[in-house]
Amino acid sequence: QITLKESGPTLVKPTQTLTLTCTFSGFSLSTSGVGVGWIRQPPGKALEWLALIYWDDDKRYSPSLRSRLTITKDTSKNQVVLTMTNMDPVDTATYYCAHRPATLTNNWFDPWGQGTLVTVSS
Amino acid sequence: QSVLTQPPSVSGAPGQRVTISCAGSSSNIGAGYDVHWYQQLPGTAPKLLIFRDNNRPSGVPDRFSGSKSGTSASLAIAGLQAEDEADYYCQSYDSSLSGLLFGGGTKLTVL
Repeated sequence: QITLKESGPTLVKPTQTLTLTCTFSGFSLSTSGVGVGWIRQPPGKALEWLALIYWDDDKRYSPSLRSRLTITKDTSKNQVVLTMTNMDPVDTATYYCAHRPATLTNNWFDPWGQGTLVTVSS
Repeated sequence: QSVLTQPPSVSGAPGQRVTISCAGSSSNIGAGYDVHWYQQLPGTAPKLLIFRDNNRPSGVPDRFSGSKSGTSASLAIAGLQAEDEADYYCQSYDSSLSGLLFGGGTKLTVL
């Protein structure tokens, strides 16, 4: 059974850097084809893809947020870390991490973590 | 405004069939990139409903089906049940943006 759980601060101040950790079980990020993605959802709004890291350490970022995002993995700890710099109140959202199944092409997410709400406010 | 356009809301009575559209363009759905669908029940994380246009993960009832034609995709839900009331999102890839996309989401109300 694959499970993922997000952890990190619930409140950050504007201009600060957000660091979120996704701790997972039930799969290995060293398995060919596997990946972990981050997706966020502002309150009452739609999902927005942020970043994706693959088993081979290839990384992809949302073009609109690329300059602010960094995704890394620690395979030995079964963790993926997302950092987002220069946080703004508009970045207030529930942040999800999700498993990208091993597939040659295509990127979909299954399952997802429960999400963690991050509020940006002074 | 999302590059993948979904109707904000749809509704139907129990037992009816509803469809949710996901309109894209030549750089995403029209380019042949697969479409995936997620169901988000109130207060919960999204759950994969359909992958690669028309494939159901294990455990998803066959009342849910996906299709794609041209630059659009659709999710159909047959035999509506009260428990289907949720938000539904389509997802694909866009070559112009070089990134993954989600639609704006559709709220399904079971009357």
